[in-house]
Amino acid sequence: KAGVTQTPRYLIKTRGQQVTLSCSPISGHRSVSWYQQTPGQGLQFLFEYFSETQRNKGNFPGRFSGRQFSNSRSEMNVSTLELGDSALYLCASSAHGKETQYFGPGTRLLVL
Amino acid sequence: DQQVKQNSPSLSVQEGRISILNCDYTNSMFDYFLWYKKYPAEGPTFLISISSIKDKNEDGRFTVFLNKSAKHLSLHIVPSQPGDSAVYFCAASWSAGGTSYGKLTFGQGTILTVHP
Repeated sequence: KAGVTQTPRYLIKTRGQQVTLSCSPISGHRSVSWYQQTPGQGLQFLFEYFSETQRNKGNFPGRFSGRQFSNSRSEMNVSTLELGDSALYLCASSAHGKETQYFGPGTRLLVL
Repeated sequence: DQQVKQNSPSLSVQEGRISILNCDYTNSMFDYFLWYKKYPAEGPTFLISISSIKDKNEDGRFTVFLNKSAKHLSLHIVPSQPGDSAVYFCAASWSAGGTSYGKLTFGQGTILTVHP
């Protein structure tokens, strides 16, 4: 089985812009979670989607949003980018009813 | 409020010896624990997990031990190899649904260096 894929791998944006990141889960996995990794805060949970519904959300401002499509692919969007949004954004997928999450390679976002 | 803690930022061991990475947690609701290995600018790679109904799980060179009363888990790597050099994260979750859906809570990571 192919693993979790994320596009793009690298992105440079300027403050105030918005960005959309994409994630394709492992085939058959319907749960997709997103995380932000920064040197100061470590790996922080953003949100989780299952069957096109957001079931859980972490402690991030409303500028961070996401969605999931009927084929389980997911996107996350960050609007009005701030310098502090520079981070590695990771998505992970898991099979229904299973706790183990498998991560993609991440998207490195740099906000200038 | 750091619910999962890895108190050792780094660990250095000799090739062939045992590596022991430690993790403590504070939330007694956690019932599933995982270890991931990570290289810079890459996603974490799943290594091994353990449910709270067990106290030990083995997979090849990797063994995870869980001490629920102490809220402590550890990862043993035997024998250690230079290719094991990476950052190791422990993570925890609970299966009650609601605010636990799809959420792993991570420790800050331990940098393991295995010297040839």
